[in-house]
Amino acid sequence: QKEVEQDPGPLSVPEGAIVSLNCTYSNSAFQYFMWYRQYSRKGPELLMYTYSSGNKEDGRFTAQVDKSSKYISLFIRDSQPSDSATYLCAFVTGFQKLVFGTGTRLLVSP
Amino acid sequence: DAGITQSPRHKVTETGTPVTLRCHQTENHRYMYWYRQDPGHGLRLIHYSYGVKDTDKGEVSDGYSVSRSKTEDFLLTLESATSSQTSVYFCAISEVPGSYNEQFFGPGTRLTVL
Repeated sequence: QKEVEQDPGPLSVPEGAIVSLNCTYSNSAFQYFMWYRQYSRKGPELLMYTYSSGNKEDGRFTAQVDKSSKYISLFIRDSQPSDSATYLCAFVTGFQKLVFGTGTRLLVSP
Repeated sequence: DAGITQSPRHKVTETGTPVTLRCHQTENHRYMYWYRQDPGHGLRLIHYSYGVKDTDKGEVSDGYSVSRSKTEDFLLTLESATSSQTSVYFCAISEVPGSYNEQFFGPGTRLTVL
């Protein structure tokens, strides 16, 4: 079993839709839960991070963590074509290194 | 890209040849990382450095070596390239890998080994 499972997509939605991106993980030692966004042919950039179970909101983005189920989500409200990218979940391990999901490719059509 | 450059940006080479990729930062961050990104595998850590001349292995270090003689430069060397090392290579930096360890990524190097 992989430490992190993430559906690769692609996930295609119309502009304005609510998007839900998810990851499951198996390692209880993961401490911080992060979402990176990667545009085509670019390096990833940190979008959001959270530490505890619950929700964290930043503009149109909401990160949700359920530690008991080992499940994290990223919600995007009012999605825009500029949100089209690959979204990678990432986790900080006890050794201060990051473990990444494989990424979900999101396509938002006008 | 947070003051990170990678060179070359694209390279095509033949099996068995040595290849060196360079990562250069202007942020004076202590920690530097090399990842490879492949379909179905995501980003995987190859090697990382926690200071000048201080390096350690990641999860996919076989066939790779690194060196860091200056804070700003981190070199990744494929001693004898193989087709399985065809990938996109990303360098990343972080100031202090505590808490959520935000890493800043370079633009990537696309390597093809024929």
